[in-house]
Amino acid sequence: DIQMTQTPSSLSASVGDRVTISCRASQSLSSYLNWYQQKPGKAPKLLIYDVSTLQSGVPSRFSGRGSGTDFTLTIRSLQPEDFATYYCQQSYSAPYTFGQGTKVEIQ
Amino acid sequence: EVQLVEAGGGLIQPGGSLRLSCAASGFSVSGHHMTWVRQAPGKGLESVSIIYNGATTHYADSVKGRFTISRDNSRDTVFLLMNSLRADDTAVYYCARLHSSTWGIDYWGQGALVTVSS
Repeated sequence: DIQMTQTPSSLSASVGDRVTISCRASQSLSSYLNWYQQKPGKAPKLLIYDVSTLQSGVPSRFSGRGSGTDFTLTIRSLQPEDFATYYCQQSYSAPYTFGQGTKVEIQ
Repeated sequence: EVQLVEAGGGLIQPGGSLRLSCAASGFSVSGHHMTWVRQAPGKGLESVSIIYNGATTHYADSVKGRFTISRDNSRDTVFLLMNSLRADDTAVYYCARLHSSTWGIDYWGQGALVTVSS
């Protein structure tokens, strides 16, 4: 199975900050890398697929980049509704494994 | 509008069986790959099982031989039959749809809580 490692596991930030979350895969994923946002008690929501393509309706302050095994999710100017847990996921090879999550908290 | 609605969760004793169902609306399950993802209390997401639109299935090692995924195209419903349940199967189980070309999960259900405890 492909292992996904996210860093950091949590971070504290303020509204307006730029936040970057990293995700590393144990093998190359081509472009099969997705990012999700999850708020407490809710199902995850797809933010980005194919490394950098924003899902419909996702604000442009979210962006993704990377290739091969190293990927990042950046939130350009953190908004109050962005405080949540973020997961990367590879969809290159089943099982489509997730990173362990990064909790973004209010500083 | 695409919707996925899970049912069948609950409290079950270790060693017992439970069947989750996922009713889809707004699209046909026959034309899409479907998956179950679980989340143990306070933990991250784990891909449990996939059924591809050609009916090929895949299971996580942790559930292989115990869980069976299936679908009824006439009812646009996906099922997860869970046998020999253990305490570490306790989780919220999400039914979800895989995007046809990117394989990311573009729609999720609200989740069904399964608690395995005596």
